[in-house]
Amino acid sequence: GNSVTQMEGPVTLSEEAFLTINCTYTATGYPSLFWYVQYPGEGLQLLLKATKADDKGSNKGFEATYRKETTSFHLEKGSVQVSDSAVYFCALSQGSGGYQKVTFGTGTKLQVIP
Amino acid sequence: DAGVIQSPRHEVTEMGQEVTLRCKPISGHNSLFWYRQTMMRGLELLIYFNNNVPIDDSGMPEDRFSAKMPNASFSTLKIQPSEPRDSAVYFCASSSRQREVVDTQYFGPGTRLTVL
Repeated sequence: GNSVTQMEGPVTLSEEAFLTINCTYTATGYPSLFWYVQYPGEGLQLLLKATKADDKGSNKGFEATYRKETTSFHLEKGSVQVSDSAVYFCALSQGSGGYQKVTFGTGTKLQVIP
Repeated sequence: DAGVIQSPRHEVTEMGQEVTLRCKPISGHNSLFWYRQTMMRGLELLIYFNNNVPIDDSGMPEDRFSAKMPNASFSTLKIQPSEPRDSAVYFCASSSRQREVVDTQYFGPGTRLTVL
């Protein structure tokens, strides 16, 4: 079946540092890939997505590129802020036989210190 | 446009009691998901509805859990009887799915359930 593996946290960075959170996936065919973010006390919300190979999703300074050859979708940001402190979830979604199946990673907690 | 609405936001109950969680999806969305989130197990999909019909309930832990979607604007997740190990945050999410096009899931704020 499908699976998503993301780096374990917590990740602690100083403000303005460069961020990378690794995500790799296992799936047949061509899934869509997502990064969701969960701020404390809230539900998950979409950060960015990519629906086909070589697509780059971007939002709020975050970027991730759909790499089919390495089955990866790593999240990056050039300069993190304290307000980016949250839990980040990588996910894939694949429709088959009338069923949209979404698989989430375990989440990576990011803490940015001033 | 209002997002996904869940109620209650917090629920504290005693073991053995019935608990009902409620969800109103975004208007026009035809897919609805119930998730459970705990520190130990992360985010788990419990059940998925498409056009009000349960499509995949393989994540429902046991017979104590049941979910219904009587119409496109309302769903419930019921636990009867509740147990302390059911303590978790329960999220409802909805999305709009047309044919095989995969779309974003929109999550509600969650219900934090504590079973004493």
